[in-house]
Amino acid sequence: KAGVTQTPRYLIKTRGQQVTLSCSPISGHRSVSWYQQTPGQGLQFLFEYFSETQRNKGNFPGRFSGRQFSNSRSEMNVSTLELGDSALYLCASSADRGYNSPLHFGNGTRLTVT
Amino acid sequence: DQQVKQNSPSLSVQEGRISILNCDYTNSMFDYFLWYKKYPAEGPTFLISISSIKDKNEDGRFTVFLNKSAKHLSLHIVPSQPGDSAVYFCAASRPGGSSNTGKLIFGQGTTLQVKP
Repeated sequence: KAGVTQTPRYLIKTRGQQVTLSCSPISGHRSVSWYQQTPGQGLQFLFEYFSETQRNKGNFPGRFSGRQFSNSRSEMNVSTLELGDSALYLCASSADRGYNSPLHFGNGTRLTVT
Repeated sequence: DQQVKQNSPSLSVQEGRISILNCDYTNSMFDYFLWYKKYPAEGPTFLISISSIKDKNEDGRFTVFLNKSAKHLSLHIVPSQPGDSAVYFCAASRPGGSSNTGKLIFGQGTTLQVKP
């Protein structure tokens, strides 16, 4: 089975721009979660989608949004980029069978905001 | 408010010896705990998990211990190998079964170095 695929791997944007990141989950996985990793804050939960609906949301401003398509692929969008948005953005999917379904992560998109 | 804490930023161990990575949590509502390993330029890889109804779970060289009264879990790697050198994250989630297992609270990570 192919793993979680994230595109692109690297992005450089300037302040004020917006960006869209893409995630293809493991085949058959319907739950997709997004995380932000920074040196200072570690791994922080952004949001989770299941069956095209946002099921959980972390404590990030409304500039961070996401969606999930009927094939479970997901995108996240960050509008009006700030320097502090520079981070590794990780997508994870799970088979969503409770405690026997750990998250499986992709290799992330490294976003640099200048 | 750091609900999951890994107080040791780094750990160095000799090959063949035991590596013990520690994690403390403050939220007694957490009922599912996981360990992930992360190499540079890769996403975290799931290692092992434990639910709060157990106090130990083993998978090959990896064993996770949970002490609910102390709100403490640990990961034991025996024997340690140079390929185990990576950053290790513990994570926790709250009850709710499937509806919460996508929302993990992570510790800050511990960098393990296993010396040949």
